[in-house]
Amino acid sequence: SQQGEEDPQALSIQEGENATMNCSYKTSINNLQWYRQNSGRGLVHLILIRSNEREKHSGRLRVTLDTSKKSSSLLITASRAADTASYFCATVLGGSNYKLTFGKGTLLTVNP
Amino acid sequence: DADVTQTPRNRITKTGKRIMLECSQTKGHDRMYWYRQDPGLGLRLIYYSFDVKDINKGEISDGYSVSRQAQAKFSLSLESAIPNQTALYFCATSDFRGNVDEQYFGPGTRLTVT
Repeated sequence: SQQGEEDPQALSIQEGENATMNCSYKTSINNLQWYRQNSGRGLVHLILIRSNEREKHSGRLRVTLDTSKKSSSLLITASRAADTASYFCATVLGGSNYKLTFGKGTLLTVNP
Repeated sequence: DADVTQTPRNRITKTGKRIMLECSQTKGHDRMYWYRQDPGLGLRLIYYSFDVKDINKGEISDGYSVSRQAQAKFSLSLESAIPNQTALYFCATSDFRGNVDEQYFGPGTRLTVT
């Protein structure tokens, strides 16, 4: 079963708007990572947040983590058409040192 | 040149055939992984290897086998391909630096079993 589940499954916005995607997970984690996948291509690592962190920024990306609610969000500000892709959260379980478990992803479409 | 390469990129094969997918990396990472991706199901781990002498099953290893020929090479075999193995297959690597398993993915192999 999936450890992480993204919400929404699909999101369509206009260029310049912000996009927010959420990830919920079931058990305690060591860290949570977000990846991007352009259509039919390999995944690319975007950002990682550890279980003792609450917020991280990288360029136009902002990730939050709420371990009490077992959830994370990815915010992309001032979106561009090139941000169109699927976004996946991946969790590493607490106590383990391997095996990312991926969610099913959110398909983001940014319309020019 | 790409750090993680996969061959072939596309393959059509018939039911019952044996097929091998190959992965090579120039990142010098010890850890390598094989995933499959099906529409709407995200990525699922097939096998992973932490070094040349280490092979571990993932969540969906039935019908697959792997070989870690060298630190840089990790191949996935389908001994007798079946149609429900039609999927996009990804190889990934990581070095577990700083207790973090950030993975680097190859471009994928699109496999169709008819």
